[in-house]
Amino acid sequence: DVKVTQSSRYLVKRTGEKVFLECVQDMDHENMFWYRQDPGLGLRLIYFSYDVKMKEKGDIPEGYSVSREKKERFSLILESASTNQTSMYLCASSEGQGANQPQHFGDGTRLSIL
Amino acid sequence: AQTVTQSQPEMSVQEAETVTLSCTYDTSESDYYLFWYKQPPSRQMILVIRQEAYKQQNATENRFSVNFQKAAKSFSLKISDSQLGDAAMYFCAYSKRGNQFYFGTGTSLTVIP
Repeated sequence: DVKVTQSSRYLVKRTGEKVFLECVQDMDHENMFWYRQDPGLGLRLIYFSYDVKMKEKGDIPEGYSVSREKKERFSLILESASTNQTSMYLCASSEGQGANQPQHFGDGTRLSIL
Repeated sequence: AQTVTQSQPEMSVQEAETVTLSCTYDTSESDYYLFWYKQPPSRQMILVIRQEAYKQQNATENRFSVNFQKAAKSFSLKISDSQLGDAAMYFCAYSKRGNQFYFGTGTSLTVIP
């Protein structure tokens, strides 16, 4: 089974802090994704990556950056956290470029910015 | 732009009964896939079922089946013989080449014992 591991289930940070959310997958998947999930808004794509050192902006990249130095690890960075970034963050991975490939999700990180 | 609409924020069903969750989508693509994901409370999102756009036959996975109407751009999920473990948030998703997913806003399903 695919295992996508997010480093923290719950995280509390302060406004202005630099925040790192880590995601690791163990299936050698090419693609990795970061979403945020908010009630009534569903999942919105922040950034994604099709390969090491490669990144693409999703629908809501403002205030975020990402890093993919190794194939199995995809980090989401909040450069200067703000209260409107309080949310559930989901990491996902998938194999190949086909539309048929399902995305596999981690357990999520519930981030609170105070 | 691709959009996915789930018009039912909340649904409830009696245990052992059948419930249908609605999903519509908008696209100009011809080659795409549709998915239903389930997210139980405080648990991981998992794949329930997927449908290939070029296949007319509706996908089925045990108690879960879809009603795919390509011309109407409709993709509903039917859960038969509902069980308590089916209680979850359900998300409809659209995927095109490049494996970018577009998710609906979700339907929260309650199963009444």
